Amino acid sequence: SQQGEEDPQALSIQEGENATMNCSYKTSINNLQWYRQNSGRGLVHLILIRSNEREKHSGRLRVTLDTSKKSSSLLITASRAADTASYFCATDDSQGGKLIFGQGTELSVKP
Amino acid sequence: DAGITQSPRHKVTETGTPVTLRCHQTENHRYMYWYRQDPGHGLRLIHYSYGVKDTDKGEVSDGYSVSRSKTEDFLLTLESATSSQTSVYFCAISDRGYEQYFGPGTRLTVT
Repeated sequence: SQQGEEDPQALSIQEGENATMNCSYKTSINNLQWYRQNSGRGLVHLILIRSNEREKHSGRLRVTLDTSKKSSSLLITASRAADTASYFCATDDSQGGKLIFGQGTELSVKP
Repeated sequence: DAGITQSPRHKVTETGTPVTLRCHQTENHRYMYWYRQDPGHGLRLIHYSYGVKDTDKGEVSDGYSVSRSKTEDFLLTLESATSSQTSVYFCAISDRGYEQYFGPGTRLTVT
């Protein structure tokens, strides 16, 4: 069963704009991760935020986590055409070592 | 994708035939995973391994078996392939059970 659910399912923006994707989950977590998948490729790890963190930055990426609302957001600032990809959130399983992925947000950045 | 390879990359097989997919890593990571990715279902865990000869079932394990006799290799076997197992299969590895690193995927078509 999917724990994380991304919103929106698809997002189309112009180059230079910011892109925000949201993820909601159902049970308590130790950490939440975001991954990117370019068409026809494997997933690439972007960032991990722990349950005791509220915000984390990595380059043009900003991730927030609100454990009271069981939600996270991924902000990509000053988007580029190369950011076009699907983005997935993933939460850890309570048994450890396993991740549960959402269905992803498909981002299209038009030049 | 560095450090993790999957073979074959593409395979077409007939219903009822056995199929084995191989995942090979050079990172000496403890954890290895097999996922399938289908439209509308995102990424779903089939089986995973937390050490040599230590494996466990994931969300969609029916019809699949795995083996891990060496740290570097994780095999996924479809004992008798069915059309519902047509999918893209991804292997992933993890050192501590947090961030996962994905292979390039195997596209399997069962006719």
